[in-house]
Amino acid sequence: NAGVTQTPKFQVLKTGQSMTLQCAQDMNHEYMSWYRQDPGMGLRLIHYSVGAGITDQGEVPNGYNVSRSTTEDFPLRLLSAAPSQTSVYFCASSPYLRETQYFGPGTRLLVL
Amino acid sequence: GENVEQHPSTLSVQEGDSAVIKCTYSDSASNYFPWYKQELGKRPQLIIDIRSNVGEKKDQRIAVTLNKTAKHFSLHITETQPEDSAVYFCAASNTGNQFYFGTGTSLTVIP
Repeated sequence: NAGVTQTPKFQVLKTGQSMTLQCAQDMNHEYMSWYRQDPGMGLRLIHYSVGAGITDQGEVPNGYNVSRSTTEDFPLRLLSAAPSQTSVYFCASSPYLRETQYFGPGTRLLVL
Repeated sequence: GENVEQHPSTLSVQEGDSAVIKCTYSDSASNYFPWYKQELGKRPQLIIDIRSNVGEKKDQRIAVTLNKTAKHFSLHITETQPEDSAVYFCAASNTGNQFYFGTGTSLTVIP
């Protein structure tokens, strides 16, 4: 099993550009989530999904969209990038809620 | 929502000593408390977790304690080794389908 994979590993964007961060898991996990990690602020939940077709907002959802058309994939879309979105983004999955979360390797995003 | 506070933000210990990291939470409905270890440039990885129906859990040199009345939980690492050096995060999950993380503790084990 590859576990949780994320692409790209690193991306530079200009303010106003849009892009999609990809996340996939091959463990048939129902619960998937996106976090951003900023220095001194820990991990903050952006959006999450409890199953295909179901998504909900987390703590910091503004400026991001998600969809969950399949169990395996959970892409995160930045609609119009802003410098405040410079961060490291982690995708995670778990079999069910309140179970061990497995994190992807992360995507480092720089918005100029 | 939930608010998780973590202390200390940095911790240095001599190799072989114990390290303790403490977290408090605000939502009494929270019932799952994992701890993650993150090495520099790597992804967070679960090291131990505890549920609200248990007061203590151990796994070799690592233990977690939970005090539901006081709404705090702690990570204890005994006989620390240089490879324990990392950032440790606590988290809490309530019935709202969300995880809330602490701000992290940077642990340095001095050989």
